[in-house]
Amino acid sequence: AQKITQTQPGMFVQEKEAVTLDCTYDTSDPSYGLFWYKQPSSGEMIFLIYQGSYDQQNATEGRYSLNFQKARKSANLVISASQLGDSAMYFCAMREGNFGNEKLTFGTGTRLTIIP
Amino acid sequence: GAVVSQHPSWVICKSGTSVKIECRSLDFQATTMFWYRQFPKQSLMLMATSNEGSKATYEQGVEKDKFLINHASLTLSTLTVTSAHPEDSSFYICSARDPSGGWETQYFGPGTRLLVL
Repeated sequence: AQKITQTQPGMFVQEKEAVTLDCTYDTSDPSYGLFWYKQPSSGEMIFLIYQGSYDQQNATEGRYSLNFQKARKSANLVISASQLGDSAMYFCAMREGNFGNEKLTFGTGTRLTIIP
Repeated sequence: GAVVSQHPSWVICKSGTSVKIECRSLDFQATTMFWYRQFPKQSLMLMATSNEGSKATYEQGVEKDKFLINHASLTLSTLTVTSAHPEDSSFYICSARDPSGGWETQYFGPGTRLLVL
């Protein structure tokens, strides 16, 4: 079974609209974390947001928020008021393991295109 | 903020040669660094975990004799692709975690594009 599943290979969104990128995960580890990264065409991985499995509240970072539904094992990224510069690949990733032996597993990504 | 650098950013080499890629943590000491490979239009795949002062831990299916990893200091890890072949052409990215920070302090380098002719 896939550990991280991103079911949207591509999305087109009108500028200034909100967009939700889906991510579901699978783990038996009670302690884990979920990341979202943005990868523009340059290739660099830009950290957007992090949610720990024990965090009570959904993570927020500026225009980014993570809709964490633990029972459903989903960690969707919500981008409010999308901008042209948001066009990029977006990867969801899960951290398992403890400090020193942690491992990040990435989903297949979603290519987001913002339309002017 | 913390920065992780990689060198070189681009390398083109002939088949059969070895290529060394450096990953440096500039603002912090990284006891653990990670090496990923990303083929075009695909996701990042973890190749190995590099621990300072000890042997790297390789993921299943990654040839340790092909991809040599050395983490000789707390700020430098190197990945050497030995006897490179065209199928090794890929985007190689390293990451390092700041041990003084939380889980979110996982910083990625800008990546190295390798093209083997």
